[in-house]
Amino acid sequence: GQQVMQIPQYQHVQEGEDFTTYCNSSTTLSNIQWYKQRPGGHPVFLIQLVKSGEVKKQKRLTFQFGEAKKNSSLHITATQTTDVGTYFCAGKGANNLFFGTGTRLTVIP
Amino acid sequence: NAGVTQTPKFQVLKTGQSMTLQCAQDMNHEYMSWYRQDPGMGLRLIHYSVGAGITDQGEVPNGYNVSRSTTEDFPLRLLSAAPSQTSVYFCASRLGGGVGETQYFGPGTRLLVL
Repeated sequence: GQQVMQIPQYQHVQEGEDFTTYCNSSTTLSNIQWYKQRPGGHPVFLIQLVKSGEVKKQKRLTFQFGEAKKNSSLHITATQTTDVGTYFCAGKGANNLFFGTGTRLTVIP
Repeated sequence: NAGVTQTPKFQVLKTGQSMTLQCAQDMNHEYMSWYRQDPGMGLRLIHYSVGAGITDQGEVPNGYNVSRSTTEDFPLRLLSAAPSQTSVYFCASRLGGGVGETQYFGPGTRLLVL
């Protein structure tokens, strides 16, 4: 079946450092979405990438979709304490979204 | 709009008990899904529905039933709860169709099965 792997599982950074999480799929994806879940909260949609090689930015967040549409990354520049949470990628299969295992980001002030 | 609502927020069950987790959305979304979230496992799809009267199984459907009699509601039933069903359950909805749209999640139900 379809699998979406995400690394690392955990990341601790000092405030101001950069952070990157990577997502890899065993199959080609029609699109990929990224979600953020604050501690104790629910996943909230961040962005969707559709095109091969697509790069999108949201302020300090940069999202990339690989050329083969099998991998993606989220990079945060100069992390802040408000960035704390778990970041999930989700690959779109035929009808459903398959979520990665998530990367839990801790930002040390 | 209230978005996606879930009840209850917390529930404790004994092994073998049954219960229904409620989910409703007021965005006229066709597509609704149930996920469970366990530590280190991400979000796993239990069941989903592409419209009223249509449901299908996801990755981990065993032990759960669903029905979709209206566009708004998508309840999840546990017929005989087991400790392995201790988890956080999220309901989600999206407009449906196309390459993919924003998926909106409810606040979750935290279930403990003793």
